[in-house]
Amino acid sequence: DQQVKQNSPSLSVQEGRISILNCDYTNSMFDYFLWYKKYPAEGPTFLISISSIKDKNEDGRFTVFLNKSAKHLSLHIVPSQPGDSAVYFCAARRDSNYQLIWGAGTKLIIKP
Amino acid sequence: DGGITQSPKYLFRKEGQNVTLSCEQNLNHDAMYWYRQDPGQGLRLIYYSQIVNDFQKGDIAEGYSVSREKKESFPLTVTSAQKNPTAFYLCASSIQGVAGELFFGEGSRLTVL
Repeated sequence: DQQVKQNSPSLSVQEGRISILNCDYTNSMFDYFLWYKKYPAEGPTFLISISSIKDKNEDGRFTVFLNKSAKHLSLHIVPSQPGDSAVYFCAARRDSNYQLIWGAGTKLIIKP
Repeated sequence: DGGITQSPKYLFRKEGQNVTLSCEQNLNHDAMYWYRQDPGQGLRLIYYSQIVNDFQKGDIAEGYSVSREKKESFPLTVTSAQKNPTAFYLCASSIQGVAGELFFGEGSRLTVL
């Protein structure tokens, strides 16, 4: 039972354009969502998060949008840069005592 | 520099052998975690610990064991009972008690021959 789904295994985007990574979830009890970035043979690093009481959170080139009615969140990267090429994981939490549930990841490739 | 150190980075094991993966953090974090990553799957939680001398099973604890004798250290033992141990193992820690922003080590790749 995959509660957090990232349906696109990979995404290719031209440098300088916008990258949009999507994540869907099934559990309406999730109250906090996070995006992590992972390079090969390294651990993931935290990128950005959003609480369920918000619908948008922005940090520099990265913006996360949350649509609770659709149980959908997306990560926008603009403009995309070569260093953004990595695997991006979406994760969700039900409450502060509940472990993170992770999506399978989307591999983003930024083309020069 | 503060961070999480996992060792070894690569490890080969024969079937039937136990192996222990090390995880040390100097971030003064209370909570520590072990995850397993397999191709095409999200991270799956093996064990976690919110405080010294206490730990809880995650979703896939069978065939694994842990200890938390010190705040800084959370070693994971992959036992011979783990049926499919070849994987990439990630250790993480967090400031908040459970599932806040996680800080990860670089991972350990275990291959069973």
